[in-house]
Amino acid sequence: EAGVTQSPRYAVLQEGQAVSFWCDPISGHDTLYWYQQPRDQGPQLLVYFRDEAVIDNSQLPSDRFSAVRPKGTNSTLKIQSAKQGDTATYLCASSLQGEVFFGKGTRLTVV
Amino acid sequence: QQQVRQSPQSLTVWEGETAILNCSYEDSTFDYFPWYRLFPGESPALLIAIRPVSNKKEDGRFTIFFNKREKKLSLHITDSQPGDSATYFCAALDSNYQLIWGSGTKLIIKP
Repeated sequence: EAGVTQSPRYAVLQEGQAVSFWCDPISGHDTLYWYQQPRDQGPQLLVYFRDEAVIDNSQLPSDRFSAVRPKGTNSTLKIQSAKQGDTATYLCASSLQGEVFFGKGTRLTVV
Repeated sequence: QQQVRQSPQSLTVWEGETAILNCSYEDSTFDYFPWYRLFPGESPALLIAIRPVSNKKEDGRFTIFFNKREKKLSLHITDSQPGDSATYFCAALDSNYQLIWGSGTKLIIKP
């Protein structure tokens, strides 16, 4: 069984640039999460979906971040105008009734 | 208010000893408690998990002891190896399938 797939694995941007992260969850998993993980810290939830519906996006900086999961499968997280403080690893995870599995993440550096 | 607390923040044990990592929680409706291991530069990996119907879960050298009445659980790593050095996160799944994370315990195993 394939795990959670994310792309790209790495991204380097200048401040003000935009970037999109893509996630393909484990087949059949109805819940999909996006986390931000600063270096040497635990994951911090940005947004999560059940099927195509947003369940909680209260921690997503809505002025610059957006996330969609239009068909309840793959998802895209976009940063419109990156800032240096966005430097972190962005993790996608999926679950079905509890067990949450993480992708390898996208390591973003904003210079 | 932190709903999931971990202690100690960091722990150093000698190779071959048992490392004990502690976790407590506030919400009695939490019904799934996974432990994740995080190596530097990698994404969290599910290590072992328990549901409140059990008071113990064992997988090789890793054992969770669970006390529902006191809302406490602990992860015991027996015969610690240098390769076990990592940050360990306790988490709890709420009724909306959102993972509530502890702040992590950094474990160092000295050879």
